[in-house]
Amino acid sequence: KAGVTQTPRYLIKTRGQQVTLSCSPISGHRSVSWYQQTPGQGLQFLFEYFSETQRNKGNFPGRFSGRQFSNSRSEMNVSTLELGDSALYLCASSSTATNEKLFFGSGTQLSVL
Amino acid sequence: GQQLNQSPQSMFIQEGEDVSMNCTSSSIFNTWLWYKQDPGEGPVLLIALYKAGELTSNGRLTAQFGITRKDSFLNISASIPSDVGIYFCAGPEGTSYDKVIFGPGTSLSVIP
Repeated sequence: KAGVTQTPRYLIKTRGQQVTLSCSPISGHRSVSWYQQTPGQGLQFLFEYFSETQRNKGNFPGRFSGRQFSNSRSEMNVSTLELGDSALYLCASSSTATNEKLFFGSGTQLSVL
Repeated sequence: GQQLNQSPQSMFIQEGEDVSMNCTSSSIFNTWLWYKQDPGEGPVLLIALYKAGELTSNGRLTAQFGITRKDSFLNISASIPSDVGIYFCAGPEGTSYDKVIFGPGTSLSVIP
């Protein structure tokens, strides 16, 4: 069974641009969670989707948005990029509505110049 | 919201030594999770704990759900070089599982 796939693996953008990151969960998983990981802040929860519905959202500005499609694939978008958005963005999927067993992808490393 | 604290922040140990780390919170957690992250990869679930006082092992790893429900402990016995990585505790915020929060992590280095 294929694991969680995140694309692209690396991304370089400049301030003010926008970016879209993609996540394909494990086949059959309906829950997708997104996290931002930085050396200083650790893993910060962005949002979680289950069956195309956003069930929870972390404390991030409105520039961060996401969505989930009917095939459970998910995207997150960051508009008007800032230098502080440079981070590893991790996606995780779960087979159940309860996310105690999250399976993570390898992440997308975003650098904002 | 709820927050998790981990100690120590980092550890440097000799191969073969045992390791202990812990995770604390100011509020109660109903589930404690321990993840490990290797360099360049996403975290991987090691152990899940569901009941206060529960002690669960996974090979050389043993984790315990504190009886106050505000802490958890992870022990690694006879460390080996592949134990290197960052260890995170995590748990669902509140009573729902749609938001799982993570501690800041304990970075483990093993000296051969």
